[in-house]
Amino acid sequence: DTGVSQDPRHKITKRGQNVTFRCDPISEHNRLYWYRQTLGQGPEFLTYFQNEAQLEKSRLLSDRFSAERPKGSFSTLEIQRTEQGDSAMYLCASSQKEGTEAFFGQGTRLTVV
Amino acid sequence: AQSVTQLGSHVSVSEGALVLLRCNYSSSVPPYLFWYVQYPNQGLQLLLKYTTGATLVKGINGFEAEFKKSETSFHLTKPSAHMSDAAEYFCAVSEGGGSQGNLIFGKGTKLSVKP
Repeated sequence: DTGVSQDPRHKITKRGQNVTFRCDPISEHNRLYWYRQTLGQGPEFLTYFQNEAQLEKSRLLSDRFSAERPKGSFSTLEIQRTEQGDSAMYLCASSQKEGTEAFFGQGTRLTVV
Repeated sequence: AQSVTQLGSHVSVSEGALVLLRCNYSSSVPPYLFWYVQYPNQGLQLLLKYTTGATLVKGINGFEAEFKKSETSFHLTKPSAHMSDAAEYFCAVSEGGGSQGNLIFGKGTKLSVKP
């Protein structure tokens, strides 16, 4: 088991473009979480899944943000019409079930130019 | 609502000196508390956590933390700093319900270790 994997590690995009990030959780982990971390701040919770069900999405920063986990395995986070303020590290974490430790991936660093 | 305050955005110690990173929390429910470490351009690694039981929690790399309900604190300590401890440290509180993945993080404390 190689841990939580995120792809790509770095993404540079032009303002207005759409971007999609992928997260592969640890095998058999039912819960998957997305966070955003801006420079000089702690991670900020965005959304999470229990298997394929998205249980919390009110924290997604705007309607330009969406996340999916269609088969309950990997997840994608999409940002439409990117803005410079979207530049940040996007972190994914997974846990086996509720009440167990979450393991974080190395993150995807997004730069919007 | 839960919140976390980390006192001191930057702490500098000499190698071999005591490390003390401060964390205070606010929680409307019995808190689950965590300390994570982050190296540059890396994800977060769990150092230790408090859920229930013993209030003095030992973690990896010689770190420990004590949950003090009366002070709403969960300060992180290490008796003797190593150069490899230089990193950013985040305190976090669970949003509740026993979840260890829905976390509220502090702003972090960057630890520098001088030779």
